[in-house]
Formats: sequence, structure tokens, C-alpha cells
Amino acid sequence: DTAVSQTPKYLVTQMGNDKSIKCEQNLGHDTMYWYKQDSKKFLKIMFSYNNKELIINETVPNRFSPKSPDKAHLNLHINSLELGDSAVYFCASSQDPRRGDIVEQFFGPGTRLTVL
Amino acid sequence: QQQVKQSPQSLIVQKGGISIINCAYENTAFDYFPWYQQFPGKGPALLIAIRPDVSEKKEGRFTISFNKSAKQFSLHIMDSQPGDSATYFCAARKETSGSRLTFGEGTQLTVNP
Repeated sequence: DTAVSQTPKYLVTQMGNDKSIKCEQNLGHDTMYWYKQDSKKFLKIMFSYNNKELIINETVPNRFSPKSPDKAHLNLHINSLELGDSAVYFCASSQDPRRGDIVEQFFGPGTRLTVL
Repeated sequence: QQQVKQSPQSLIVQKGGISIINCAYENTAFDYFPWYQQFPGKGPALLIAIRPDVSEKKEGRFTISFNKSAKQFSLHIMDSQPGDSATYFCAARKETSGSRLTFGEGTQLTVNP
């Protein structure tokens, strides 16, 4: 199946731990994103990478660090997890938006992170 | 500051009825307005989108109405079906921001059989 996939789907961990969420897309896209959806379902972009280059970096604590080993993967590493980090994290991908045309973003199924 | 405001927060409609969700924006630099549909446990998926140079776009039962002077746009779902029950998000994008989408708060739509 061509899609954006994320692992794990659920992640339950203790405060203070370090965890990673992995994302892969096989759509041949150049650009990948991380979004956070809070308990009220509000969606906010966190990061965007294009061909392994960071192009969007919203005001996010530096405990969050995205890593893109290649253009098909964008992983999110979170250090020293806090209660407020509990949310659903979505990965998305698109063609390069800097080509000048509007591009559709394709979202993964999400990772529900619960920090206890 | 919420740049895209969406209402209502929740909506209950009978099967066959019309669902209407409204969004208002402040930044006149926005040039692309998509609507996303999200089912429980799934990621958002693009439903329909419009540019500000047209006032209406229709795809099947889904229509976007766009009012540039009022800085408002709305999603109309005709003949609403129980399968349409989902959370709907409006969004907006500035051309100069590349791919950065600003989302509304979401509307939980329930279509009763």
C-alpha cells in the first residue's frame, strides 16, 4: 500500500523518559511534516523537512528533535517527556511545496503518546 | 492568536440533511483554503479545497462557499450520511509560508440515521 506509516501507534511512558516516533512514506514525496493534535483535537505543525533539510521549525521546545535520515523517513525524538507532551502526533508528506503550486499533504494514522 | 476560527464545535444532523460548517480568517495573505476530514483513529485527509479567486467549488455532495470580502468560507455537505460522521477541519495557507497550514479548531459532525 502506498501511504504514510507511523510506529508505534500507541506509546505510553513515564515522565522524564526519552522516546522516538518513526515515520515513513512511500509516496515519493520530497517533504515531510510533524503535527501535534492536542486533547481538543487542535492541529498544529511542528516541523517540516524537505530532502532532509529543515524548512519549518515552529516554536517547539528543544526537547523535540526531528531527524531525517533520507527523504522517505522523518523521525521525532522527544527527550525528558512531560505530562503536557501527551497528544496524538501525526506525520505527513507532500511534494515539494516550493515548486510553486499547491500540494496536498497526506497524513499518517497518528501516534497517541501518553505520558504518565 | 487563532488565525482561523471555526464553528460550530459540534454539529448533529439527521440523515439526508445539510451540514454547514463555517470558518473565518484574518490574514488576507492566505491564498489556499482546504478542508480536511478526520475519522476516529485516523489521520486527516484532504476533502476539498478552494483558492480565493472563485466563490464556490463543488465536488459531489461537498461544496465550499468562499466570501473573500467577509474573509469567510464554509463547507456544505448535502444529503448528509452517517458515514460522513467525522471531525472536519478548515485550514488556510499563505503562499509565502510554503507548506505551512493553519488549521481551525475542528467540528465534530454526527449524522444520525
